[in-house]
Amino acid sequence: DVKVTQSSRYLVKRTGEKVFLECVQDMDHENMFWYRQDPGLGLRLIYFSYDVKMKEKGDIPEGYSVSREKKERFSLILESASTNQTSMYLCASSFSARSDIQYFGAGTRLSVL
Amino acid sequence: EDQVTQSPEALRLQEGESSSLNCSYTVSGLRGLFWYRQDPGKGPEFLFTLYSAGEEKEKERLKATLTKKESFLHITAPKPEDSATYLCAVRSNSGYSTLTFGKGTMLLVSP
Repeated sequence: DVKVTQSSRYLVKRTGEKVFLECVQDMDHENMFWYRQDPGLGLRLIYFSYDVKMKEKGDIPEGYSVSREKKERFSLILESASTNQTSMYLCASSFSARSDIQYFGAGTRLSVL
Repeated sequence: EDQVTQSPEALRLQEGESSSLNCSYTVSGLRGLFWYRQDPGKGPEFLFTLYSAGEEKEKERLKATLTKKESFLHITAPKPEDSATYLCAVRSNSGYSTLTFGKGTMLLVSP
């Protein structure tokens, strides 16, 4: 079974803090993704990575950065958290040589106060 | 730009009352259409991939079908445990391996 693990289920941070969200997958997938999910807006792609040290902007990259130093780990960084970044954050991974099926983690619900 | 529209936004059914969810899409060239199920507070769980018009896939009470412009998720004799949000996504045959998601249909099945 594919396993995508997100480091925290719930996180509460203060405005201006630097926030790290970690994601690890155990299936040697080359692609990894970060989304945020908000009511009425659906899933929106923030950043993705198709290889180690490679990253591409998604639809809403402003206010975020990412890091992929190892194939299995993809980190989302909020440089200076703001209240409008309160959301559910979902990590996913896929192996595009075989299929584009994305497997998701359980999500991190982030509240920025 | 790829677009996915799902309807209805919400659907309430009685247990045993069959229905269908719709996913309309616009994509430059379809490489695959994906259905996911998402329970409250959890990440989406993969259900099906469809690759070409006319293709059908089944899993228990769910059957997904695909035409050149839309996909349907048919739910036959649903049970309360089928209650969830169902997401549709498309992958175009150009560019990176990213998916464009619809906003989902929230299904509630009452006993």
